[in-house]
Amino acid sequence: EAQVTQNPRYLITVTGKKLTVTCSQNMNHEYMSWYRQDPGLGLRQIYYSMNVEVTDKGDVPEGYKVSRKEKRNFPLILESPSPNQTSLYFCASRQGSEADTQYFGPGTRLTVL
Amino acid sequence: AQSVAQPEDQVNVAEGNPLTVKCTYSVSGNPYLFWYVQYPNRGLQFLLKYITGDNLVKGSYGFEAEFNKSQTSFHLKKPSALVSDSALYFCAVRARRGYSTLTFGKGTMLLVSP
Repeated sequence: EAQVTQNPRYLITVTGKKLTVTCSQNMNHEYMSWYRQDPGLGLRQIYYSMNVEVTDKGDVPEGYKVSRKEKRNFPLILESPSPNQTSLYFCASRQGSEADTQYFGPGTRLTVL
Repeated sequence: AQSVAQPEDQVNVAEGNPLTVKCTYSVSGNPYLFWYVQYPNRGLQFLLKYITGDNLVKGSYGFEAEFNKSQTSFHLKKPSALVSDSALYFCAVRARRGYSTLTFGKGTMLLVSP
């Protein structure tokens, strides 16, 4: 089954404790991205990657890091999480064309205490 | 900068009645336009998209949307609402030039009453 998977689905952590949210897609998509969803703000892009070893900042990159060492994986790293990073996070992927549909993972609900 | 406006935070409709969820956009040049739906505790599911051609686009679950270039709108419609259509709906736009991000609206909650 073609899908985008994320782990963990739920995470409660404390301020300053480094964490990684994994994302993997099995559709051989070139483009992957991370979004955060907050009430009343919709989805905002954090980082994106157009291919292996090619990443760039989205609209709200502060406090996040990413890497793209393999085509299928695009982990999101929070080096020192803060309470304002409490949010619902989505990974997404699509093929390379701008017309292509973006497919989303199931989401990771992160709470930073 | 590109943007999407969904002017209604919530739309209420009775089951069996037609529904419309509004979306207007701002982008340089011609757009690619998308609608996604999010059910509680789920990720976003693709409904439909406008690429080119016919301004009326048909998608999943009986939904359709009409691209109106002069009004820069892409309203989502369905002739007869179901209670199971109750969900959060997002409109999104991407420009047709080089690399462009997918920009989302803030979402509209659709509530269909029995």
